[in-house]
Amino acid sequence: DVKVTQSSRYLVKRTGEKVFLECVQDMDHENMFWYRQDPGLGLRLIYFSYDVKMKEKGDIPEGYSVSREKKERFSLILESASTNQTSMYLCASRSLAGDPSYEQYFGPGTRLTVT
Amino acid sequence: ILNVEQSPQSLHVQEGDSTNFTCSFPSSNFYALHWYRWETAKSPEALFVMTLNGDEKKKGRISATLNTKEGYSYLYIKGSQPEDSATYLCAFMEYGNKLVFGAGTILRVKS
Repeated sequence: DVKVTQSSRYLVKRTGEKVFLECVQDMDHENMFWYRQDPGLGLRLIYFSYDVKMKEKGDIPEGYSVSREKKERFSLILESASTNQTSMYLCASRSLAGDPSYEQYFGPGTRLTVT
Repeated sequence: ILNVEQSPQSLHVQEGDSTNFTCSFPSSNFYALHWYRWETAKSPEALFVMTLNGDEKKKGRISATLNTKEGYSYLYIKGSQPEDSATYLCAFMEYGNKLVFGAGTILRVKS
């Protein structure tokens, strides 16, 4: 079974803090993704990584950066947290083996509150 | 910006009712359509990945159809059970591999 884990289920941070959200997958997947989910909106892509040390901006990258030093780990960094970054953050991974239309495997999410 | 729309936004049904939801997506540059089920406090899980026009997929009481020419997919649940309560997400994939998600349909099944 593929497992995607995220470092925290709930996190409360103060405005201006630097925040790290960690994601680890155990299936040697090449692709990894960070999304945020807000009420009434679909999952929106923040950043994704095709492979180690490779990253590309998604649809809403402003205020975020990412790091992928090892294949299994993809970190999302909020350089200076703001209240509008209060959200549910989901990490996902996908294998490139075979058909690239294959499903993504998600972590359980981190609910971040910035006060 | 690609637009993926799901309707209805939420649905409350009685146990045993059958129900269906709609996902509308762009009809050009289609590569795949994904359906995910997201139960509270759990990770979203894939139900179906559909790639061919006219595709029909089934998993137990849940089935889905796909029309890529007109840009829609239906998800059907036959004889809803309380354990079917979840948010159902569809996601459109165009060439280039990124998924664009709809806002989801929240289903609540009352026993």
